[in-house]
Amino acid sequence: NAGVTQTPKFQVLKTGQSMTLQCAQDMNHEYMSWYRQDPGMGLRLIHYSVGAGITDQGEVPNGYNVSRSTTEDFPLRLLSAAPSQTSVYFCAISESASSYNEQFFGPGTRLTVL
Amino acid sequence: SQKIEQNSEALNIQEGKTATLTCNYTNYSPAYLQWYRQDPGRGPVFLLLIRENEKEKRKERLKVTFDTTLKQSLFHITASQPADSATYLCALLIYNQGGKLIFGQGTELSVKP
Repeated sequence: NAGVTQTPKFQVLKTGQSMTLQCAQDMNHEYMSWYRQDPGMGLRLIHYSVGAGITDQGEVPNGYNVSRSTTEDFPLRLLSAAPSQTSVYFCAISESASSYNEQFFGPGTRLTVL
Repeated sequence: SQKIEQNSEALNIQEGKTATLTCNYTNYSPAYLQWYRQDPGRGPVFLLLIRENEKEKRKERLKVTFDTTLKQSLFHITASQPADSATYLCALLIYNQGGKLIFGQGTELSVKP
């Protein structure tokens, strides 16, 4: 039972390149989300999903796309990377969208955009 | 504007003392408040949850209080140990925000032996 896995762990991109950050879970949880963490800014929600086929925007969605075709996977796509997207990205899951459920975080992907 | 603020400066304390971390918020009406621990290079790990109608919650050496009048939560670690050194994050669940968690920026705690 790996919980939440994220790949890659590290990535360097050039401005304008595209890439997909992968998030997979084996806990059969409904709720999946993506955060970015920047120094002094805390964790900011990018996109989230309350179940397969359902996604919605968080606080900072611009420049990112998501889809949720299965319960297990929730990839985050950067279509044209910008230096402002340099950050650490965390995927998090919880049992449902109910507020009292703890969130389980993945180990993170550290992305640098040159 | 809506804000969540935690002690921006790192907290340094001596082993065995009680560490107290603060989470203040403005212009929110949270339903729940959660505390997480984050070690360098790792994702946050859930510690405690407290509901708006609860004043206090305890778990082993951890205690959380939630004062919706003061709009403040305090997080205490008693008999602190060097292994407690980490960054601690508070997160609010807001009623009208679709179940999303809003995080504070975190407070770094350092416990010296």
